[in-house]
Amino acid sequence: EIVLTQSPGTLPLSPGERATLSCTASQSVNNNYLAWYQHKPGQAHRLLIYGASSRPSGIPERFSGSGSGTDFTLTIDRLEPEDFAVYYCQQYGSSPWTFGGGTKVDI
Amino acid sequence: QVRLQESGPGLVRPSETLSLTCTVSGGPIRPYYWSWIRQPPGEGLEWIGYIYYNGNTNYNPSLKSRVTVAVDTSTNQFSLKLTSVTAADTAVYYCARVHYYDFWGGYGPYYFDSWGLGTLVTVSS
Repeated sequence: EIVLTQSPGTLPLSPGERATLSCTASQSVNNNYLAWYQHKPGQAHRLLIYGASSRPSGIPERFSGSGSGTDFTLTIDRLEPEDFAVYYCQQYGSSPWTFGGGTKVDI
Repeated sequence: QVRLQESGPGLVRPSETLSLTCTVSGGPIRPYYWSWIRQPPGEGLEWIGYIYYNGNTNYNPSLKSRVTVAVDTSTNQFSLKLTSVTAADTAVYYCARVHYYDFWGGYGPYYFDSWGLGTLVTVSS
């Protein structure tokens, strides 16, 4: 199975700053089928990015995804107070689907 | 806006069967895939398996021998059964909808486009 490693584990930042989150796969992710999710306590996980770089409707433009093969990045431009949360990457290119361990974006 | 709600016992005894139901509202069961995911306390997310609305399934090999996922299109629900549970099965269990179509890739399954809030299941005597 593909192991996804997210770094850093915790990212201390302030509102207005840029967040850069990394997700590294142990082998190439088929078709770059990689998604990013945001999770806040007491709320449902929210899909931010699919296909490594596509943004679903309703997701603000400050969220962007990039990368291919084994290295992927989620960038959040100009952090808003509501962006402080845990972020997970997930690959759906090969079974079993797997998740990264998460990055907490903290104030 | 689709909503997913997990329900079931919060406490299961070791060696017994964990049973959960996910109720889907605000959207149809067809033509989506539906999935279960779990997260043990202090650990990462683990995909358990998914089911297509027609009943086709795919399970994580690590749990395949103990897992059954079923769907009931008449009630807009799908379910999870996990047999012979141990303390290692203690986790927050999430249900999720799986996106079924991609413009470039055709029919899926693909990523999780909606999640439930999750329900904590503790395995203990």
